[in-house]
Amino acid sequence: DADVTQTPRNRITKTGKRIMLECSQTKGHDRMYWYRQDPGLGLRLIYYSFDVKDINKGEISDGYSVSRQAQAKFSLSLESAIPNQTALYFCATSDSFGSYGYTFGSGTRLTVV
Amino acid sequence: GDSVTQMEGPVTLSEEAFLTINCTYTATGYPSLFWYVQYPGEGLQLLLKATKADDKGSNKGFEATYRKETTSFHLEKGSVQVSDSAVYFCAHTGGFKTIFGAGTRLFVKA
Repeated sequence: DADVTQTPRNRITKTGKRIMLECSQTKGHDRMYWYRQDPGLGLRLIYYSFDVKDINKGEISDGYSVSRQAQAKFSLSLESAIPNQTALYFCATSDSFGSYGYTFGSGTRLTVV
Repeated sequence: GDSVTQMEGPVTLSEEAFLTINCTYTATGYPSLFWYVQYPGEGLQLLLKATKADDKGSNKGFEATYRKETTSFHLEKGSVQVSDSAVYFCAHTGGFKTIFGAGTRLFVKA
């Protein structure tokens, strides 16, 4: 099994719908992150969590919310999806200092029509 | 603010050619530096890292040296293969989050 598992892998949804992307990890890491990848823009941080009770906004949090249900689970929600949220979404984990690098999931390709 | 700048792609090389992908950064303090690789349809994978000045990270024939004086961490490989075709991301971590570059796409032709 993968260290970081994201579901679903692909999703097409309609404008205005609520959608949840899920992430679970078996690394035992405290820190979890949600990133969005768009062509030519690299990765942009949406939200990050240092533990179950510590959740923080990243650089592009508008239109998104998150829930850290347990140390191993961190979900991302789009409350009312819009077409410019069409992107590839990645979940990642790291140890407390991040100095060993991040472990990424395989991504969720989301299309909003 | 903190940032990572890497050379724009795509970079197209023939098999067995020498590869350099430039990366420079701005950061406060002394960050750890990373290269990640993303193969088609996959997430990013850590390729190599360096945690202090003059450290050399290496993996799978790739190398990068932490140059504090030039704030650079250029990725090199002596002889690329078709299987190295991917997107490469430079990144640094200082404090509580990682900053990623925009990525450089590499195409290697047989």
